[in-house]
Amino acid sequence: EVQLEESGGGLVKPGGSLRLSCAASGFTFNDYNMDWVRQPPGKGLEWLASISSGSDYIYYTDSVKGRFTISRDNAKNSLYLQINNLRAEDTAVYYCAREGGGYKFPLDYWGQGTLVTVSS
Amino acid sequence: DIQMTQSPSTLSASVGDRVTITCRANHFISSWLAWYQQKPGKAPKLLIYKASNLATGVPSRFSGSGSGTEFTLTISSLQPDDFATYFCQQYNVFSWMFGQGTKVEIK
Repeated sequence: EVQLEESGGGLVKPGGSLRLSCAASGFTFNDYNMDWVRQPPGKGLEWLASISSGSDYIYYTDSVKGRFTISRDNAKNSLYLQINNLRAEDTAVYYCAREGGGYKFPLDYWGQGTLVTVSS
Repeated sequence: DIQMTQSPSTLSASVGDRVTITCRANHFISSWLAWYQQKPGKAPKLLIYKASNLATGVPSRFSGSGSGTEFTLTISSLQPDDFATYFCQQYNVFSWMFGQGTKVEIK
């Protein structure tokens, strides 16, 4: 069974940093591209970043370029999101998700999410 | 960036109704469109990929159509479990983009 479990969220002061983790199991992690998506409370989904299976290709949405860094450790079956200079508008549930296999496939499995709250 | 616009934002319907949600892209995305269902407090669930392909385990009352810039999600006979929020997403080019969502409420 495919499982994705995020961790690392919490209450952070503006300007602070956080590293989110996503532990993957139930599939061959190093065969799949992985993504981060966030959802502010009561709002819609925002795709944040994607990393290819071998970390060769990385993409970000414009609004987080320079502050967010996606990475992965295939030996540990883990995905990460480093978030720097946190702002109030970064308050959201952060989901990791797997891109389905093959050429161009959307997000077929999602974690349960981890809540990041940015407040003084 | 490719922008995705869903309509309506909210939809009130009864069990058994046929429901249609529309998603428009402001640039050509071929058939690289997905639909997700999200219930409160839960992660989104993939329903449809490549505009019209049902994801594994999704009931056949769900269907998707369209290509290019205009797409629809149809629920042929709304069931109690279907009251949720639905999002479209383009995955033709990065940066991927979601529609703003359509909440399907009980009438």
